[in-house]
Amino acid sequence: GEDVEQSLFLSVREGDSSVINCTYTDSSSTYLYWYKQEPGAGLQLLTYIFSNMDMKQDQRLTVLLNKKDKHLSLRIADTQTGDSAIYFCAETPTGGGNKLTFGTGTQLKVEL
Amino acid sequence: GAVVSQHPSRVICKSGTSVKIECRSLDFQATTMFWYRQFPKQSLMLMATSNEGSKATYEQGVEKDKFLINHASLTLSTLTVTSAHPEDSSFYICSARVPGQVREQYFGPGTRLTVT
Repeated sequence: GEDVEQSLFLSVREGDSSVINCTYTDSSSTYLYWYKQEPGAGLQLLTYIFSNMDMKQDQRLTVLLNKKDKHLSLRIADTQTGDSAIYFCAETPTGGGNKLTFGTGTQLKVEL
Repeated sequence: GAVVSQHPSRVICKSGTSVKIECRSLDFQATTMFWYRQFPKQSLMLMATSNEGSKATYEQGVEKDKFLINHASLTLSTLTVTSAHPEDSSFYICSARVPGQVREQYFGPGTRLTVT
């Protein structure tokens, strides 16, 4: 079955870059996503990348995908206190229909 | 963007009672909605896929008689937790997919259920 792993916690200073990592096991993943969850709230889609891409940039966000190593990362430039949240990576496997398999989540704490 | 709402946002019920949670797509019609469960400091686990006009598809290990799903219209899916017990206390989140947009799911704000 699919397995998506993330480190549990990341702490950065305001203004620094944050890099959140994710590893997955399903090599047939078609789309990979990054979601943000603030306390007590639902999930907000930040960005996604198709599996035939290596990189995608969207304003302060950069997604890197290494298909060979099944490794996905999210880089947040100029991290702000409002970026403090839990970040989930997720994947949709080929033939998985609409299903999303979520990672374990990384709590990002931004300190002044 | 597409908006999904949930009601109620919080509910406390006594053990043995049933609770209904609503998930609505506000500005689009959703033929498919999803129900997730999230325990504290854990990831989201897909419980079931709700299809308008047909039976829901449940994930392995989810009791369909306990978690009743009804998707009677293109904008509303309901999850009823029957005979709730304290172990059912959790954060329940729904999502919906905009028809024709296969890449994105839009999530509701979640419902915090506490069973006493």
